[in-house]
Amino acid sequence: QSVLTQPPSVSEVPRQRVTISCSGSRSNIGNNAVNWYQQLPGKAPKLLIFYDDMVPSGVSDRFSGSKSGTSASLAINGLQSEDEADYYCGVWDDSLNTWVFGGGTKLTVL
Amino acid sequence: QLQLQESGSGLLKPSQTLSLTCAVSGASISNGNYSWNWIRQPPGKGLEWIGYIFHSGRTHYDPSLKSRVTISVDISKNQISLRLNSVTAADTATYFCARGMKVWGQGTTVTVSS
Repeated sequence: QSVLTQPPSVSEVPRQRVTISCSGSRSNIGNNAVNWYQQLPGKAPKLLIFYDDMVPSGVSDRFSGSKSGTSASLAINGLQSEDEADYYCGVWDDSLNTWVFGGGTKLTVL
Repeated sequence: QLQLQESGSGLLKPSQTLSLTCAVSGASISNGNYSWNWIRQPPGKGLEWIGYIFHSGRTHYDPSLKSRVTISVDISKNQISLRLNSVTAADTATYFCARGMKVWGQGTTVTVSS
């Protein structure tokens, strides 16, 4: 059971928009900056979003992040087949005193 | 360009000690105030944070692993290390190192089996 709750899977057709949610609590998302990661099959996680909504250099601007209260979201615009991957949210938890991740969301591009 | 490369013991028997190294290139560990983290991912499962170290040597570990984990830094070799004692099958995973939870290595697989 992960501290952060993500939907196990989402799916959408190419060129559409999809959002992935990440629900936490005041001790984690409510108080600290959220990162989002993309993990392609057999690869290491790659940072997509940091500090809730910042996009690292080199990451497509089709990816965006947002946060409200104790929930965060990742949005992907203009879906492409190469976006098929697992997506994880991650954040520091002040109560557990550890970094916590969501359980991951598998994105399928139909 | 910053790169991290994990390496170490790939196959262990239960009760042995896991020992991994993360070699850092393209930047010096002693520059900047970054945390150097270890994270693992059991086969087919999600990500689990293990702990971090700063170049000063300050460490912090996940409470569930704290009794078995040691993370160390070697500034002269520009690398960090992970030791995990008394391994079991539950420690079978791909182990990643990461700077500041932003830049990740490609990972190294560790299997614990009798």
